[in-house]
Amino acid sequence: EEQLVESGGGLVQPGGSLRLSCAASGFTLRSYWMHWVRQVPGKGLMWVARSKSDGSTSDHADSVKGRFTISRDNANKTLYLQMNSLRVEDTGVYYCARWGRVANGLDVWGQGTTVTVTS
Amino acid sequence: DIQLTQSPSFLSASVGDRVTITCRASQGINNYLAWYQQKPGKAPKLLIYGAFTLQSGVPSRFSGGGSETEFTLTISSLQPEDFATYYCQQLNSFFTFGGGTKVEIK
Repeated sequence: EEQLVESGGGLVQPGGSLRLSCAASGFTLRSYWMHWVRQVPGKGLMWVARSKSDGSTSDHADSVKGRFTISRDNANKTLYLQMNSLRVEDTGVYYCARWGRVANGLDVWGQGTTVTVTS
Repeated sequence: DIQLTQSPSFLSASVGDRVTITCRASQGINNYLAWYQQKPGKAPKLLIYGAFTLQSGVPSRFSGGGSETEFTLTISSLQPEDFATYYCQQLNSFFTFGGGTKVEIK
């Protein structure tokens, strides 16, 4: 079964840092672009970042650029999101998701990990 | 940035109803549009990509339509398991999601 499992969420003060991890199983991580998507509780979805299959290229949403960094370790089948200078508005559930090779969309999602930024 | 506006934001319907959700883009997106379904406490699930193409395993009562700036998701006969929130996503210029449409039982 193709699966993604996030971890690393938690409670942090404004200005703090967290590193999210996303462990992939059941498929070859190095063959896929990977994304992070955020959802504020009770609200909609916001794209955060993406990483090319080999990790050579990444893109980030303007609202997180310079503060968040997506990276990956294909050998260890893990995607990361380093989050620095966290703000209250970064609070939410963070999902990692796989961009399909056939389906032009996010075809496999993790269960999400919750980040709460509060003083 | 490309903005996506979904309508309605909330929809009340009965089992067996035909339901249509609209997603409007602030500029043309060349059919680079996907639809997702999300149930409470769960991750979104890909339903349709390329505006029209049904993802593997998705029931045929779901269909996508439209072009350029106006797209639709139609459920031909609403089933109990279809009560959820639906999101569109454009992938023409990076990625943006619509605000969502919650489909509830009348």
